[in-house]
Amino acid sequence: AQTVTQSQPEMSVQEAETVTLSCTYDTSENNYYLFWYKQPPSRQMILVIRQEAYKQQNATENRFSVNFQKAAKSFSLKISDSQLGDTAMYFCAFEYNNNDMRFGAGTRLTVKP
Amino acid sequence: GAVVSQHPSWVICKSGTSVKIECRSLDFQATTMFWYRQFPKQSLMLMATSNEGSKATYEQGVEKDKFLINHASLTLSTLTVTSAHPEDSSFYICSATRLAGNYEQYFGPGTRLTVT
Repeated sequence: AQTVTQSQPEMSVQEAETVTLSCTYDTSENNYYLFWYKQPPSRQMILVIRQEAYKQQNATENRFSVNFQKAAKSFSLKISDSQLGDTAMYFCAFEYNNNDMRFGAGTRLTVKP
Repeated sequence: GAVVSQHPSWVICKSGTSVKIECRSLDFQATTMFWYRQFPKQSLMLMATSNEGSKATYEQGVEKDKFLINHASLTLSTLTVTSAHPEDSSFYICSATRLAGNYEQYFGPGTRLTVT
């Protein structure tokens, strides 16, 4: 069974600083997808970034980037130049075969002014 | 593009009654739709996966007779909570994948159900 672990229930960062959210997963599969989703107070799930396991290059989306370590089964999210609007719950997710997506427990990020 | 809507956004019902939640893909055809439940301050838990025209596949521990899922078209799936009880109060979120896409899931805004 695939499991996703986020070991940081809460984190905070000063505005304009950089923060890294951790995620590890367990799977015996070789081809899969990893995601980071943001859930602001509105509860709408927003895709932040996506990584295909077969790609060695780390995905980046503007201020968001990942450090994907396939052998270590690690998938951390780095947010640069943090903004107040980044305050939200962040979920790491694993998807394999027929869109079966599993989420981590989430990390609540607070960006302080 | 890839907008998913849910209706209603929130609903209050009395214990013992049934309530239906709709999930629609507004600008694309969805091969598969998913239903999740999220309790306060917790993660999303997959309840079931549904494909148009076929029976839903339920996750272990989810009562299929209590949570009825119908996926009648490529743009609509419904979740009916039958004989609701206060412990069914939760946030229900649906998602959908495109008919011809990259398997990305597009999430609806969620429905808050409160059973009194």
